[in-house]
Amino acid sequence: QVQLQESGPGLVKPSETLSLTCTVSGDSISGYYWSWFRQPPGKRLEWMGYSYYSGSTNYNPSLKSRVTISVDTSKNQFSLRLSSVTAADTAVYYCARRDTTGYYYPWGQGTLVTVSS
Amino acid sequence: DIQLTQSPSFLSTSVGDSVTITCRASQDIRSYLAWYQQRPGKAPKLLIYAASTLLSGVPSRFSGSGSGTEFTLTISSLQPEDFATYHCQQLNSYPLTFGGGTQVEIK
Repeated sequence: QVQLQESGPGLVKPSETLSLTCTVSGDSISGYYWSWFRQPPGKRLEWMGYSYYSGSTNYNPSLKSRVTISVDTSKNQFSLRLSSVTAADTAVYYCARRDTTGYYYPWGQGTLVTVSS
Repeated sequence: DIQLTQSPSFLSTSVGDSVTITCRASQDIRSYLAWYQQRPGKAPKLLIYAASTLLSGVPSRFSGSGSGTEFTLTISSLQPEDFATYHCQQLNSYPLTFGGGTQVEIK
């Protein structure tokens, strides 16, 4: 079955760009929407945005100017870039697939990113 | 943005009990609601979508109901593995939003 795995630095300095990759195994990345979510410590889950495999995107307006999600079909991966990070961006970041039902599963296991100097 | 309010935020209960969690939306979201289970240190796991449809493989003791602005998740006969945090999510409109979570703990 399809599995997702996040990877990337666990520590990012303030004002820099956070970059994460989600590797998809067990199925093709083509034909689906791919999303990023995050959960700051003690806070509710937040949807960050999605990219369709063909490249169309939709972002949370609260992040719109800082977030970029892209899909690399040749590598069966998709990526997240979040610029100008602050301590408020410290969170567990999850990648997920939007299923043909329109709902999100499966999810990756998540990766903690801490923003600190 | 659509606000989702879950209640209660914390529940202390026993194995074998039944529990009901409520999720209220700030505006009509029709039936575009999902419920997730999240165990400590793990990713959210989709249980129910479209307010009441059980994802394949999810035990039948989980059930969801509601439409419009009020929704419920019921877990009948709680099992030890059900002690976790439950989240609702609306998919009626962007940005997608989540409730604040309900932590179900063993009494």
